[in-house]
Parts: sequence; C-alpha cells; structure tokens
Amino acid sequence: QLQLVESGPGLVKPSQTLSLTCTVSGASIGGGNNFWTWLRQPAGKGLEWIGRINKSGSTNYSPSLKSRVIMSVDTSTDQFSLNLTSVTAADTAVYYCARQMTFVTTFDNWGQGTLVTVSS
Amino acid sequence: SYELTQPLSVSVALGQATNLTCAGDNFGSKSVHWFQQKPGQAPVLIIYRDSNRPSGIPERFSGSTSGNTATLTISSAQVADEAVYYCQVWDSGTYVFGAGTEVTVL
Repeated sequence: QLQLVESGPGLVKPSQTLSLTCTVSGASIGGGNNFWTWLRQPAGKGLEWIGRINKSGSTNYSPSLKSRVIMSVDTSTDQFSLNLTSVTAADTAVYYCARQMTFVTTFDNWGQGTLVTVSS
Repeated sequence: SYELTQPLSVSVALGQATNLTCAGDNFGSKSVHWFQQKPGQAPVLIIYRDSNRPSGIPERFSGSTSGNTATLTISSAQVADEAVYYCQVWDSGTYVFGAGTEVTVL
C-alpha cells in the first residue's frame, strides 16, 4: 500500500528557507510515470498547488510561487523534496505531498500533512 | 487565472440526497475531480474524471458535468459525510481548486 510521509522543521524564521522531504513507501518513484507533488493549506483555507516533479527531475511550479520554489527527487531513496525560499508569515500552512495519478490530472494518494509555521 | 466557484456551505438531512456544485468555464474540455476533507485529515479523492469513483469510495457518491457546472451527488447522506468538499481541474499547466463546500448532515 502506497504511503507518503512528510518530514521537516515545523518552525521556520522569516526570510529563511523552508525545506521539506516526502518519503514514499509501497511504490518506487523510479518505477512509474507519475508526477510527485507538493500542496499546501493555510489554516481554515483552501488547497493550493505548489509544484510537481517526475522521476527524471522534470519540474513544473505554480506561477505564483515559481520564483521561490525548488523541488528535487532522489529515486535511490524514494524521496522528493521542497525548498521554498524567502518565507513570510503568509507561507504558514499545512504542507502535503501527494502522488498524481498516472495519466490523470489529480492526486490519488496524499501524505498526512505537516504544519510549518513561519515566525521569529 | 482560472477560477472554480463552489457554494460555501450546504446542509442535508440524514439519509437524504444533496448536490454540490462547482462552476467554471469550458468544463467540456476539462476533467473535474472531487475531494473530501475531514477536520485534521488530508483530502481524499472521491471522484476523478467527472464521474469515476476510486476503489473503496461508497457508491452513494457520484459525479457529473453539464455545461459549465460539475455536480457531486451524495445520494443518501450519512453523518460520516460531514466534511469539506473541493472540486479541482487542470488548467493551463496548473492545478486549480475550488474554495470548498462545507457539508453538514442534520
């Protein structure tokens, strides 16, 4: 059974870089043709897509975050990562990693989410 | 940027049917997907490609599209269906979500 688990600091200072890792188990990132994605959700608000990456390292980012986002993938450890630079309080949210379905533009498996607070 | 419009909240009596709507432009050229999110939990995909249910999703959930409106139907609402429901599409290289509809079962 596919599982995704987010990990990383729960508190980041303003202007610093938010770094999260998603560890995949029950499937191999390198074994399929899926995109692996990051999304976020501020408290009490809706869902926002951040970006996606495939096994080859090809990425697409949300236009609103593109200048601050870098994603990477490590198929040997079945992990992919998110770096969000120059964070502000507006970046405080629950961050989710998820798998995009094969050939379908939506997400069939999600991590449990991790809360990241931006505060000094 | 592309927008999806959902009603803020819907109430439904236990065992009754309810329709949740999601409005957007040019739905005919897009696939609409639906998620259920309960408090403190990650979203769960309940409908993909307008009307398809992933395995394990109860049959009381169904989806359809007509014109510029997509509809999620809960045929016999249960207490367990209390949640926020989001619609989602892919548009111009991005994933777009509606703001969500909160469903209360009375």
